[in-house]
Parts: sequence; structure tokens; C-alpha cells
Amino acid sequence: DTEVTQTPKHLVMGMTNKKSLKCEQHMGHRAMYWYKQKAKKPPELMFVYSYEKLSINESVPSRFSPECPNSSLLNLHLHALQPEDSALYLCASSPTTSGGASDTQYFGPGTRLTVL
Amino acid sequence: ILNVEQSPQSLHVQEGDSTNFTCSFPSSNFYALHWYRWETAKSPEALFVMTLNGDEKKKGRISATLNTKEGYSYLYIKGSQPEDSATYLCASSNAGGTSYGKLTFGQGTILTVHP
Repeated sequence: DTEVTQTPKHLVMGMTNKKSLKCEQHMGHRAMYWYKQKAKKPPELMFVYSYEKLSINESVPSRFSPECPNSSLLNLHLHALQPEDSALYLCASSPTTSGGASDTQYFGPGTRLTVL
Repeated sequence: ILNVEQSPQSLHVQEGDSTNFTCSFPSSNFYALHWYRWETAKSPEALFVMTLNGDEKKKGRISATLNTKEGYSYLYIKGSQPEDSATYLCASSNAGGTSYGKLTFGQGTILTVHP
């Protein structure tokens, strides 16, 4: 299995809702990532988990809360989002075989989030 | 160069044409350059990772070169086909420490190959 899966594909939520995005991989990768992509912009890193521990938080607002319950699963919990948080949220994983910086990251198809 | 920049932003070619695009990146603290192909509604697909100055990688009709001293990489597609239509993204990563695993992406080159 060489796939990263993300659910749901689309999500519409109000500013007072709480929702979660889910990402799963079964490639034995020990690094997992969340990226955010706004329209016509490049993907921007949000969080990196390495061996189930948060290793990078790119100063993301606390209304985004990541969680890595095991080596195959990565969640992004959403609460009190703003309309400007509407974007494509991409998950990726990598094998951590070469120290990280040159590992290929394998991406999921993303969750398209709309905040009303 | 402070950011990762790609040119051109978009490109229209005819089937059979060969084409190339550029990725410029900061050369200080550079570790690796990644190329991805991203078709609409699909996952970005990894094409190449290059680390060494002068590296050249090839995958079928697609190849890439790397110049770390001047901070640029070229992606070449020989004999473009309609199925090559996609956004091509490059991303750089820096050496270790708190930058571990962080990819900084360019804005992409949108390639459209017309039959």
C-alpha cells in the first residue's frame, strides 16, 4: 500500500463547529505532515510529527490542533475557524530514512475545507 | 533569492513539443530539491529528489538538473503528451535542526499540452 488517504474529501463547517480531518498511511513512515494550500498559492507547512511527536509547529493558530495517535494516523482538529481558514489541507508522510531533508514526502489528495 | 520561485507561471505547448521550466531557490543552507507533478483532484506525485550540485535525474521523458551553487533547477519534458498536463511544483528543504522535513514550495508551473 503506497497511498496516503485523507477523509473527508470536502468539509463545510460553521465558525462555531468542531470538526476533524483524518489522514492515514500504511507505508511504515514515521514522519507525517499537515500543509495548507490557499487558492493560487503554494502549499505551506503547518505541522510535522516525527515518531508520533510534534517536531515542527509553524506558528499555527491554536484553533488548529494536530494529533498523532499512532504511527499510521494523523488528525487535525478544527475549532472556531474563520472564513479565511478555507483552503485545501494536505497530509503527507515520509520514511525518515535519510535524516528528513531529502526524504520523499508522499501526499494525500487533500481535504477541501470551507468555513462559512 | 529568499523564496522558492518558479517560471513561467503557465505554459501552453503542442503535443510533441519539448519544454522546460525553472525553479530558483535560496542556495544558503540548502539540502535538497524536490519536484512534484500535481494533476487536478489528485495527490501531488513525487518526481525527483536531488541533493548534489550537478545532479541529473531522469524518469521516462522527464528529466531534471540541479545547480546548488547558483540556486536553480531545470525540469525538462521531451515530446510532451496531453497526459503531461499538470502543475509542476518544486520545493527546497534545508539542512537539519528545526528545519527537519520542512519543504518550501514554489508557486508551480501550470503546463497544458494541446493535442
